Amino acid sequence: DAGITQSPRHKVTETGTPVTLRCHQTENHRYMYWYRQDPGHGLRLIHYSYGVKDTDKGEVSDGYSVSRSKTEDFLLTLESATSSQTSVYFCAISDTRQGGKAQYFGPGTRLTVT
Amino acid sequence: QKEVEQNSGPLSVPEGAIASLNCTYSDRGSQSFFWYRQYSGKSPELIMFIYSNGDKEDGRFTAQLNKASQYVSLLIRDSQPSDSATYLCAVENSGNTPLVFGKGTRLSVIA
Repeated sequence: DAGITQSPRHKVTETGTPVTLRCHQTENHRYMYWYRQDPGHGLRLIHYSYGVKDTDKGEVSDGYSVSRSKTEDFLLTLESATSSQTSVYFCAISDTRQGGKAQYFGPGTRLTVT
Repeated sequence: QKEVEQNSGPLSVPEGAIASLNCTYSDRGSQSFFWYRQYSGKSPELIMFIYSNGDKEDGRFTAQLNKASQYVSLLIRDSQPSDSATYLCAVENSGNTPLVFGKGTRLSVIA
């Protein structure tokens, strides 16, 4: 357990509404990531952060934005949710203190857009 | 696009057998390699990592790396039904970039 929590764990929302998912970590890790996982596509990186206010895009960033105003929180916002954004969203951190880039995942958020 | 390829499976093995999971990667400069296990409905869990050519053993798991062939594998000895899961390979490519994940291989251990 890398001290990662995600909220909410489940959410159903309507097309066109904004949605914010929260990732919270308690161990002061510098790197945080947001992924989505869909059948047939595996894990796909949406955005990641390498420090407070430092973020970069992943391979599927369109329609998503992120913010990191504190080390412990990394927020993912779907600006106007679409049915194609129905997915399971995982947050992860990198523990670089041991010299590697191993990632550890939170429990996930299942999002359904109707 | 730097890729990580895995056979999607399912790979079915009888209980007690050795399960062999394979992964190839495209970036010759890749430095670190990770294996994750993901049970249905759960998040990925790190089970092994390997940085150097050769074998690395941890209990019933052995990771094997061959950088010349750009190939990494995971062997599970004495497979148990509880090993049934999807196994994800992840690679740290050259440059300061996030890990690249394969799509995973589904393993089914038959009792």
